Amino acid sequence: DSGVTQTPKHLITATGQRVTLRCSPRSGDLSVYWYQQSLDQGLQFLIQYYNGEERAKGNILERFSAQQFPDLHSELNLSSLELGDSALYFCASSDQKGGRDEKLFFGSGTQLSVL
Amino acid sequence: EDQVTQSPEALRLQEGESSSLNCSYTVSGLRGLFWYRQDPGKGPEFLFTLYSAGEEKEKERLKATLTKKESFLHITAPKPEDSATYLCAVPTGGGADGLTFGKGTHLIIQP
Repeated sequence: DSGVTQTPKHLITATGQRVTLRCSPRSGDLSVYWYQQSLDQGLQFLIQYYNGEERAKGNILERFSAQQFPDLHSELNLSSLELGDSALYFCASSDQKGGRDEKLFFGSGTQLSVL
Repeated sequence: EDQVTQSPEALRLQEGESSSLNCSYTVSGLRGLFWYRQDPGKGPEFLFTLYSAGEEKEKERLKATLTKKESFLHITAPKPEDSATYLCAVPTGGGADGLTFGKGTHLIIQP
């Protein structure tokens, strides 16, 4: 068990809808990362938050947004969903701010299916 | 742009048959090369970090090595429980934290 908790594990929805994925990082970790994993693209970095503030953005669509709350949990909001958004979404956390020995600890992911 | 390329995409071995997985990278100023293991339906799990050419790290049947352009994950006398996808990654850099991952090698060990 990595200590990172993601809910829900599975999510089935329709095109055009909006969903929220939730992540609780390991106790004490200030950094939260969101990744998307699909068969053809592999693991793609979406966005990082550090102690409540956005720190870096990757290949995140404008239809997607995230935030990190004062208790350090994070939510990823996906709106106007399209079939191509179907993927595994992972949250990861670390206790460092991009340090030399930064290890990421991943949750078990949320499997999103857009029908 | 930094890139991480892994080969082969998939590898099927018999139990006890040793082999190596490759990760080649193009990074300006390497700040670490990471190996992760991912089981089906689970998130990646950290294995190793390597920082400089010539460095080696071992864990059970796995040994990771690093050169200036690539890293190898050697698997010695593998068992069926070593079946997984192995991912390598480098720090994203360019002001961003986190890791940029390769697409992985899907390893199957047959009893």
